[in-house]
This record gives sequence, C-alpha cells and structure tokens, in this order.
Amino acid sequence: EDKVVQSPLSLVVHEGDTVTLNCSYEVTNFRSLLWYKQEKKAPTFLFMLTSSGIEKKSGRLSSILDKKELFSILNITATQTGDSAIYLCAGNAGGTSYGKLTFGQGTILTVHP
Amino acid sequence: DVKVTQSSRYLVKRTGEKVFLECVQDMDHENMFWYRQDPGLGLRLIYFSYDVKMKEKGDIPEGYSVSREKKERFSLILESASTNQTSMYLCASSPGFSNHYEQYFGPGTRLTVT
Repeated sequence: EDKVVQSPLSLVVHEGDTVTLNCSYEVTNFRSLLWYKQEKKAPTFLFMLTSSGIEKKSGRLSSILDKKELFSILNITATQTGDSAIYLCAGNAGGTSYGKLTFGQGTILTVHP
Repeated sequence: DVKVTQSSRYLVKRTGEKVFLECVQDMDHENMFWYRQDPGLGLRLIYFSYDVKMKEKGDIPEGYSVSREKKERFSLILESASTNQTSMYLCASSPGFSNHYEQYFGPGTRLTVT
C-alpha cells in the first residue's frame, strides 16, 4: 500500500521566519512528487518533482526531491501571513494508475504578524 | 484556466438520506477523482474514473458509489448517509496523457450528516 507521511503536522511561526516542511513517501512505481497549497478553498498546485537533487523554485518557495532517501522538502523563506495554509504533498505512481495520487496528512502552517 | 466546479459548497443531510455530489470540469480531462478530507488524515481517494462509464475504487470506497455518464461530469453518491460520512469532499480532474499528472481541484463540498 502506498504511503506518504508529512511532518510536522502543524507549525506556528512569525512573519519573516524560514520554514521547512517534510514529506517522506513509499509509492510503488514512483513517478513524481507534487506539492499543493490549500487555503480555505481548492488545493492549488505548487511544484512537481521528478528528479533527485534538482531544486524547483517559485519566489520564496523552493522544493527538492531525494529519490534515494524517498523524501522531499518544501522551504518557505521570509514567511508572510498569506503563506498561512495547509501544505499537501502527494506521490504519483506510474504504470496504469491513471495519475492516481497518494496524499500525506498535510502540514498546517500558521504565520503570525 | 481549468475550472472544476462542485454543485454545493455546504450541504446538511439526515442519516439515511441518499446524497448526490456533482462535479463538472470544463477542460475535456479524461481522469476525474473524488476525495474526502478529514483533519489529520489528509486527502483520501474514494473513487476515480479514467473514461466515461469507467470507474475504479480508491482507498476508501465503502459506503459510496459513483457515476460518470458524460466526460465532463462525475457524481459521488452516498446511498444511505451516515454520520461518519460528515467530511469535506473534493473533486479533481487531470488530463489522460500528461507527463505531469497534476490534478486540478474543485472548491469542495462540506457535508454534514446529522
């Protein structure tokens, strides 16, 4: 059974802090690892990672994948209150899974002013 | 922009009622998914469909069924709602042949069963 585990489950920081969110995975025929941000609505796509060691970056957010150790991290630098959200990671299995994703529990990030 | 819509944002039903949750996508995607989201458990896959009239069980299909009569529409059915089905329900879609398998989500339906 595929499994994705995120840590920490919740995190409270102040504006300007840097945070690191963790995601470990056990996914059969692993193809990619995806990160989503969920505010009070639909999850929105952040990154997709397929290769080890190649950092994906978007503004203050960055992410990297380690396929040997089976984990990914999401870094957010200079956090802002607008970064408060649930961050979800998901593993995608290849083969004939039709793009099925296995999600972790999510990390609830709260950024105080 | 891909748009996935769900029929209701909030729904309150009584135990034993039959409940229909509707999802429509406008990007001609082959794949559609139904998840439920509960605190501390993340998103769990209930059912998915990779083509019209085709369906596959996800990780927690018990108590649910689905229908996909048209490509753009995927319905989740609770035949006899129970209180343990109180949850946030999210629908998603993705293209059939994609290198990315990125799923696009609807806004969710918060269902309360009393």
